[in-house]
Amino acid sequence: EVQLVETGGGLIHPGGSLRLSCAVSEFTVSSNYMAWVRQAPGKGLEWVSIIYSGGSTYYADSVKGRFTISRDNSRDIMYLQMNSLRAEDAAVYYCARALFNGACCRFDYWGQGTLVTVSS
Amino acid sequence: DIQMTQSPSTLSASVGDRVTITCRASQSVYTWLAWYQQKPGKAPKLLMYKASTLESGVPSRFSGSGSGTDFTLTISSLQSDDFATYYCQQYSSGWTFGQGTKVEI
Repeated sequence: EVQLVETGGGLIHPGGSLRLSCAVSEFTVSSNYMAWVRQAPGKGLEWVSIIYSGGSTYYADSVKGRFTISRDNSRDIMYLQMNSLRAEDAAVYYCARALFNGACCRFDYWGQGTLVTVSS
Repeated sequence: DIQMTQSPSTLSASVGDRVTITCRASQSVYTWLAWYQQKPGKAPKLLMYKASTLESGVPSRFSGSGSGTDFTLTISSLQSDDFATYYCQQYSSGWTFGQGTKVEI
């Protein structure tokens, strides 16, 4: 069964850093496109970042220069390094498999989410 | 950036009703449009992609249509399990979600 499991969320002060992990099973991160999507409390979904199978990375303007997406192919884990965190970054962060089929991408498998709280 | 606008924001319905949710893009996304269902405290679930292709395992009462800038998600006969929030997402240029439509009793 395909599974994605996020870890690493928690309470962090503004300006702090946090690294989220997304461990996958039944598929490999290296041969798939993978993404992070977040959802602030009571709000809608917002795409954050994506990493292509070839290694290209893209970011939402709201996190560009502060967040870094990466992966460990040997361990089938994707990461999101979040620096200079702001109150508006507080959200549940989901990792998702991004499926390319003519265009990139729909998100077909999702993790359960990990909560990031940014507060002093 | 492409903006996605859903209507209505909230929809009150009853079991057995036919329900239609609309999603409009600020510019053409061709048919690169997906729909998701999200229940409280849960991750989104992919329902539809390429505007009208049903994801495997999704009941046939769900259908999608549209191209260019205007899209609809229709539930032909609402079931109790369908009360949730629905999001459209374009993947023609970047990745943008609509603000969501909550289907409630």
